[in-house]
Amino acid sequence: DAKTTQPPSMDCAEGRAANLPCNHSTISGNEYVYWYRQIHSQGPQYIIHGLKNNETNEMASLIITEDRKSSTLILPHATLRDTAVYYCIVSFSTDSWGKLQFGAGTQVVVTP
Amino acid sequence: SAVISQKPSRDICQRGTSLTIQCQVDSQVTMMFWYRQQPGQSLTLIATANQGSEATYESGFVIDKFPISRPNLTFSTLTVSNMSPEDSSIYLCSIDRINYGYTFGSGTRLTVV
Repeated sequence: DAKTTQPPSMDCAEGRAANLPCNHSTISGNEYVYWYRQIHSQGPQYIIHGLKNNETNEMASLIITEDRKSSTLILPHATLRDTAVYYCIVSFSTDSWGKLQFGAGTQVVVTP
Repeated sequence: SAVISQKPSRDICQRGTSLTIQCQVDSQVTMMFWYRQQPGQSLTLIATANQGSEATYESGFVIDKFPISRPNLTFSTLTVSNMSPEDSSIYLCSIDRINYGYTFGSGTRLTVV
């Protein structure tokens, strides 16, 4: 699987949008971009994933550049509960042979 | 959405003993995945468990140390054998919800003393 690069940490003010960048310059054509987060002492939680189109769900938006070498996870209105480690992962998907290789992630701290 | 029940949620074990962690899913799945998260670290994939065949282990993990069972499509166990303090970690199971990402269990926090 391709590797990803994320900033180790970032702070965000409550109520503001949080934009989390991720570089995946060696991504292959059939690899998806996944985002997960892990709140302290819990299992990772799926947020969103995409192949090349931008995606939005009730939790976040995912913006993937046209060359697919980078992406941005957007939390539109950060709350204190969004404080977590956020992982950007690229993986084959849509079949059960995909497996996730976690990097170090970005520690996001949302402050009042 | 699929629900994963993992137990025990935590345990404190003596070195040299073994612990078996159970993972129960409320729907049938082809693959189940076992991860380890050492203190302050990210998750590392231990192995992939496919029902009816031997588990596939990642580099650095061996069957003698982490035997896995997959007796049916809703259940799997991971055993941590002959434990040492270095095995103190959170162990998590995971499944692939096709097109909806991976779901993780709540984890087993293991402390070896």
